Amino acid sequence: GENVEQHPSTLSVQEGDSAVIKCTYSDSASNYFPWYKQELGKRPQLIIDIRSNVGEKKDQRIAVTLNKTAKHFSLHITETQPEDSAVYFCAASDPPWGSQGNLIFGKGTKLSVKP
Amino acid sequence: DAGVTQSPTHLIKTRGQQVTLRCSPKSGHDTVSWYQQALGQGPQFIFQYYEEEERQRGNFPDRFSGHQFPNYSSELNVNALLLGDSALYLCASSLDGNTIYFGEGSWLTVV
Repeated sequence: GENVEQHPSTLSVQEGDSAVIKCTYSDSASNYFPWYKQELGKRPQLIIDIRSNVGEKKDQRIAVTLNKTAKHFSLHITETQPEDSAVYFCAASDPPWGSQGNLIFGKGTKLSVKP
Repeated sequence: DAGVTQSPTHLIKTRGQQVTLRCSPKSGHDTVSWYQQALGQGPQFIFQYYEEEERQRGNFPDRFSGHQFPNYSSELNVNALLLGDSALYLCASSLDGNTIYFGEGSWLTVV
């Protein structure tokens, strides 16, 4: 089955700097890659996602890139703000159901943005 | 338009007891998945229901079972609770492989 590795496990940046979180996946048949932000005691919230037919997607300060050949995808947050502090999870769809709801998650990255 | 709703939000059970958690999917969504999130870990897939049947299952023992009703709502049942079952249980709903939405979760503590 699918396996997702996420790095780093913790990341500390100064306000205004950029943050990059990287994930690798094992199953080349995976075709959907969402990123979730989870604040303490709350549910994971989708912040951006990308499908395997696209190499990059951007939404304001957040962007995701996908390299299907290397089987890795990355989250980029620019101009970080203290409210970006949270745990971020990457995930990959587990074939054969594609994006039908069976996601394999990474172990998470705790991002701290210092004012 | 209500999102994914779960109940109860918090509960405490004793080892060996049984628990039932409930989920109502986002309006119009027909697929419900359940995840277990232990403290400090990412969510782990338990199983998924579609058209009232279990379509896919993760690596969880038979103590974990579920059900989906004709209105697409779902229940997660856990029998013979162990201390290690203490976690946040998340329900997620989706439609036709589009965006997956998570509920607020049910915090289960087993003592």
